[in-house]
Amino acid sequence: DTGVSQDPRHKITKRGQNVTFRCDPISEHNRLYWYRQTLGQGPEFLTYFQNEAQLEKSRLLSDRFSAERPKGSFSTLEIQRTEQGDSAMYLCASSLGGGREDEQFFGPGTRLTVL
Amino acid sequence: AQRVTQPEKLLSVFKGAPVELKCNYSYSGSPELFWYVQYSRQRLQLLLRHISRESIKGFTADLNKGETSFHLKKPFAQEEDSAMYYCAAGGSQGNLIFGKGTKLSVKP
Repeated sequence: DTGVSQDPRHKITKRGQNVTFRCDPISEHNRLYWYRQTLGQGPEFLTYFQNEAQLEKSRLLSDRFSAERPKGSFSTLEIQRTEQGDSAMYLCASSLGGGREDEQFFGPGTRLTVL
Repeated sequence: AQRVTQPEKLLSVFKGAPVELKCNYSYSGSPELFWYVQYSRQRLQLLLRHISRESIKGFTADLNKGETSFHLKKPFAQEEDSAMYYCAAGGSQGNLIFGKGTKLSVKP
């Protein structure tokens, strides 16, 4: 499968714990995006990378959230001291370029449940 | 602020009936607009983009700058069209700004 992959697919954690998600983009894609989707909403932009550089962060990304993309390949999204409001589907997407018209390819998502 | 609005949460039609899923946008400058679709148990995928002016699976969408709309249309709905449809605009950073989505249910 040469599509975007995400791991784990599901994560259940207790409030206050730290969690980390991984995204593997399509291999030649330079752009990598993270989105969050809550029930009844469309995906909301969190942050993106151009190769290894994190270029933009949404105001939705609190200080408890951090994302990395070492070496411009896979990316990780860490949430520290999780809260119940963090429960959501976390989506990763990649694109070949950064143009507004470029197609973004989405992964299957990681569903986080914070108890 | 850039915003995409899909006024209908659910649209239910019978097989063979025409379908129109509404999308309105608020955007400064020239928007890049997309329709993404998510079939049951599948990932979000691009259906079509306005710049391509193409028809995919019988769906078309026309950008109307006067009405700031990008409605998705299909003349004859099929049961396999049942899915969640999201309208999206390309943001200034290349990110996508999504509407809340419309669930299309095509009944036999």
